[in-house]
Amino acid sequence: ETGVTQTPRHLVMGMTNKKSLKCEQHLGHNAMYWYKQSAKKPLELMFVYSLEERVENNSVPSRFSPECPNSSHLFLHLHTLQPEDSALYLCASSQDVQAYGYTFGSGTRLTVV
Amino acid sequence: DQQVKQNSPSLSVQEGRISILNCDYTNSMFDYFLWYKKYPAEGPTFLISISSIKDKNEDGRFTVFLNKSAKHLSLHIVPSQPGDSAVYFCAASADSGTYKYIFGTGTRLKVLA
Repeated sequence: ETGVTQTPRHLVMGMTNKKSLKCEQHLGHNAMYWYKQSAKKPLELMFVYSLEERVENNSVPSRFSPECPNSSHLFLHLHTLQPEDSALYLCASSQDVQAYGYTFGSGTRLTVV
Repeated sequence: DQQVKQNSPSLSVQEGRISILNCDYTNSMFDYFLWYKKYPAEGPTFLISISSIKDKNEDGRFTVFLNKSAKHLSLHIVPSQPGDSAVYFCAASADSGTYKYIFGTGTRLKVLA
């Protein structure tokens, strides 16, 4: 499969659950990103990884925990989320952090109940 | 307060006519601008960019215009096609060499056949 793949596409979780979002890219890109898109709000950058090192944590609460085990995979671990965390979570990659032509995945639609 | 604003949440245009999508920004330090297109159930895809040293950039049917004094940019699609129906996001950065783009909330374009 080419491009950026995100799983699952949809996720419903309770506030006490622990779940993980997965992102995979086969483009040979060195930078990967997590974005959040809430209803009627702009895309918000959450985390940036460059060559598996985290280079940005955009004031994201600790209930969101990213992990980048290698340059092709990115995870977002979720625990004790709040209903207001319900949103579309998008993963993206680019050749490096200077490149602006991001390739986005289709996103995971998260609902916290 | 939003630094990048797309004040029209939706726009309908007849096939073959011109579509004009607008974007306003407040930060005079922004010097690089992007447009992304997003179809339902897919991630955004990069469309076109412009830097502040230009006032126009053209790519096929898509042209982006930048008016720095008015802090305004627009995306023109000519002629519009039904396949152009999507949500269009503008994004701006004060540092074109980084990932720090601020996105607008998007405008949903519907091209009527």
